[in-house]
Amino acid sequence: DTGVSQNPRHKITKRGQNVTFRCDPISEHNRLYWYRQTLGQGPEFLTYFQNEAQLEKSRLLSDRFSAERPKGSFSTLEIQRTEQGDSAMYLCASSLGQNNEKLFFGSGTQLSVL
Amino acid sequence: DQQVKQNSPSLSVQEGRISILNCDYTNSMFDYFLWYKKYPAEGPTFLISISSIKDKNEDGRFTVFLNKSAKHLSLHIVPSQPGDSAVYFCAARSTGGGNKLTFGTGTQLKVEL
Repeated sequence: DTGVSQNPRHKITKRGQNVTFRCDPISEHNRLYWYRQTLGQGPEFLTYFQNEAQLEKSRLLSDRFSAERPKGSFSTLEIQRTEQGDSAMYLCASSLGQNNEKLFFGSGTQLSVL
Repeated sequence: DQQVKQNSPSLSVQEGRISILNCDYTNSMFDYFLWYKKYPAEGPTFLISISSIKDKNEDGRFTVFLNKSAKHLSLHIVPSQPGDSAVYFCAARSTGGGNKLTFGTGTQLKVEL
């Protein structure tokens, strides 16, 4: 399977714990995006990388959130001191990095904070 | 501030008929528009797109229409099939936005036999 891969698919954690998600993009894709989706809403942009450089962060991304893409390949999204409001589907997408191109999404990580 | 709006949360259509999904936007800087389809427990998958220099784009059963003056686009599916039942998201991108997409809230399409 050469699509975007996300792990884990589901994560249940207690409030205050830290969690980390991983995304493996399509191998030749330079750009990697993180989105968050809550029930009844569309995906909301969080951040994106061009290779290993993090080029933009949404104001939705509080200080408790950090994303990395250390070698320009896979990426991790960490949430520290989770809150119940962090419960959502976290989606990763990748693209080649050209104009007017589509994003390819993974199946997401569903986070539930108890 | 919802820059991309899908005012119909759900739509029900009979198999074989036309499905029309609507989307409105407010940001004049948007210049590229996409439709994604999403099944439960899966990520969104790309369906069709249109650049702001065009007013129509077709791909098989799917056609997207863009009315820039009204800041409105629509997705037509004809004929509709039961496998088209999914949530459809309209998304938009602005020039210089780094390919970042702004999504609407989605429309749940149900195609009935």
